Amino acid sequence: EVQLVESGGGLVQPGGSLRLSCAASGFTFSSYWMSWVRQAPGKGLEWVANIKQDGSEKYYVDSVKGRFTISRDNAKNSLYLQMNSLRAEDTAVYYCASLGSGQWLVYWGQGTLVTVSS
Amino acid sequence: DIQMTQSPSSLSASVGDRVTITCRASQGISNYLAWYQQKPGKVPKLLIYAASTLQSGVPSRFSGSGSGTDFTLTISSLQPEDVATYYCQKYNSAPQGLTFGGGTKVEIK
Repeated sequence: EVQLVESGGGLVQPGGSLRLSCAASGFTFSSYWMSWVRQAPGKGLEWVANIKQDGSEKYYVDSVKGRFTISRDNAKNSLYLQMNSLRAEDTAVYYCASLGSGQWLVYWGQGTLVTVSS
Repeated sequence: DIQMTQSPSSLSASVGDRVTITCRASQGISNYLAWYQQKPGKVPKLLIYAASTLQSGVPSRFSGSGSGTDFTLTISSLQPEDVATYYCQKYNSAPQGLTFGGGTKVEIK
């Protein structure tokens, strides 16, 4: 059974940092592109970042470029999102998800809530 | 950047009704479109990819169509368990960014 389990969310002050983790199991993690997607409270879905199987390609939504960094450790079957210079508008549930053979999101984790507030 | 516009933003229909949700791209995207269902308080679930290919395990009452700029998600006979918000998502032939539509909330009348 495919499982994606996020962790690392919490309350952080504006300007602060957090590192989210996503532990993958039940599939060959190293064979798939991975994504982070977020959802602000009561709002729609917003794609945040993608990373290629070997980490050699990364893409970000404009609003997080220069502040967030996506990375992965295939030996640990883990995906990460380092979030710096956090803003109130980054408050959201953050999901990790695996990409299918195309760029659609097949499996999703349960999400971890990030709250940016003073 | 290509924008994705869904309509309507919400709808209310009776059990058994045929429901159609539309997603329009600001530029042609071939068939690079997926649809997701998010039930209240739950994680999004992939329904359809490549505009019309049903994901494994998804009931056959769901179908997708379209190409270019105009796409539709159809529920042929609405069931109570279909209460959810539905999102379209465009992707690219080469890996880049993803864009979601604003969502359509479906309720039972």
